Amino acid sequence: DVKVTQSSRYLVKRTGEKVFLECVQDMDHENMFWYRQDPGLGLRLIYFSYDVKMKEKGDIPEGYSVSREKKERFSLILESASTNQTSMYLCASKAPGKGTEAFFGQGTRLTVV
Amino acid sequence: GESVGLHLPTLSVQEGDNSIINCAYSNSASDYFIWYKQESGKGPQFIIDIRSNMDKRQGQRVTVLLNKTVKHLSLQIAATQPGDSAVYFCAENPGGSNYKLTFGKGTLLTVNP
Repeated sequence: DVKVTQSSRYLVKRTGEKVFLECVQDMDHENMFWYRQDPGLGLRLIYFSYDVKMKEKGDIPEGYSVSREKKERFSLILESASTNQTSMYLCASKAPGKGTEAFFGQGTRLTVV
Repeated sequence: GESVGLHLPTLSVQEGDNSIINCAYSNSASDYFIWYKQESGKGPQFIIDIRSNMDKRQGQRVTVLLNKTVKHLSLQIAATQPGDSAVYFCAENPGGSNYKLTFGKGTLLTVNP
C-alpha cells in the first residue's frame, strides 16, 4: 500500500517560531509537493521538488522554504511563523511525467497563535 | 490569472440518485484534468483523470466529461452512496508542465440516506 506520511496531524505554534513540517513517501517518487488548503481557496502550491536538493517555487512561496536532502523526505519550513500561515498543509508525491497519479498525505493542521 | 473554478460549492443528493459536479477552467493550454475526492480528515484521493484529446472517460460508477469548446469539466457519480459524501476537487495540468496542478475550490457533496 503506497503511503505519504506527514509527521504531525495537528500543530500549534507561536508567532515568530521556526516551524518544520515533515513528509516522507515510500514510493521512490522523484516529485514531491507542498500545498496549503484554505476554505474557499482550494489547494495552492507552495513549493515543488523534482529531485534531491532540487526545488521550485509554486504559486505562494513567500514566507516558506523547503529542504530535500533525501529522495523520500521533503520538509516545509516556516522561517518565522505568522498567524496568516494558519492552515491545512498537504504533502504529495508522484512519479515523473504527465498523467501519473499524485498521492497525498493526511495533512497537517497548523495553528499559529 | 488563469484559474479553475466550480459552479456549485455544495451539492445535496438522495442516496441512489446520480450526482453531477461541475468545473469550469480558463486555461486553454491545459491538456490533462483530474478529479480528486477528499473525505473529512484525509488528504485528497485520485478518482479519475482525462486527457484533452478525449471527451469522456468512465470508471467504476464515475464518468468524467470534458467539453473543450466551453472549457467545462464534469464528474458524474452513478447511484450515489453515503460513502461518496466528501469534497470533490477538479484540477488541471497546463500544457508544457509535467507537474503543476491548479486546483479548483472544491464542491461539498452530501448524500442523504
